[in-house]
Amino acid sequence: RKEVEQDPGPFNVPEGATVAFNCTYSNSASQSFFWYRQDCRKEPKLLMSVYSSGNEDGRFTAQLNRASQYISLLIRDSKLSDSATYLCVVNMGVYNNNDMRFGAGTRLTVKP
Amino acid sequence: ETGVTQSPTHLIKTRGQQVTLRCSSQSGHNTVSWYQQALGQGPQFIFQYYREEENGRGNFPPRFSGLQFPNYSSELNVNALELDDSALYLCASSFFETGAYGYTFGSGTRLTVV
Repeated sequence: RKEVEQDPGPFNVPEGATVAFNCTYSNSASQSFFWYRQDCRKEPKLLMSVYSSGNEDGRFTAQLNRASQYISLLIRDSKLSDSATYLCVVNMGVYNNNDMRFGAGTRLTVKP
Repeated sequence: ETGVTQSPTHLIKTRGQQVTLRCSSQSGHNTVSWYQQALGQGPQFIFQYYREEENGRGNFPPRFSGLQFPNYSSELNVNALELDDSALYLCASSFFETGAYGYTFGSGTRLTVV
C-alpha cells in the first residue's frame, strides 16, 4: 500500500461546480495533514492544514477521518483560477515531526 | 525574511555525469528536506538534513547524497546520473522544533539527463 494515495483524476469541471478530492494514508500514527496546491511547473504551496474537527477556508473545506485514515478536500463554486494539481500531504512522523509525504496529486481543470 | 532559494534553475547533464544542486533555507529555518518530482507524479522524499546530519532517508540509492552547512543551506549530489533521474528537484526548509507547519518550498531545479 502506498504511503499516501489520491484520486488519480483528472477532474474537468465547469465554473461554479463543486468538486471533492479524496486521499488515504497508510500510517495510523501520522501526526498532521495538509493540502498543497501546485501550479504547472511551479513549486507546491500550502493550501490549508487539515484538522480533526474539519476546517473551512472560504470555498475550501477539509475533513479528516483518523479511524478510516482518510482526508478530503471540497471546493465549492469552482473558479478558473482553481485549475491546478492538488497534493495530499501527510506528516508521517517516521523520522521526526518534519517527515512530509506526498500523494501523486489530482489535477483539476475548471472550464468556462 | 528571505524565502527558500535553489540553484541552478535548470540543468542538462549527460548520463554517467555527476551533479550538485544547492538550496538556501528560509531565514530562521534549520531543517532542509529534498524531494524528487518526476513528470506527472507527486514529490518523492529523498532525505532530510538537520544539524548538519542526515535525519531520514527515502527509497533512493546511495548515489544520492547530501550535505548541510552551518548556515543551514544544503546540497544534493547525484553521482552516475541515469536517464530516470530527470525530474524537478525540490528542497523545503522548516523549523525542526515546530514540525511540519511552516514547510516552505523553493522553486526547484529542473534536471534533464540525456
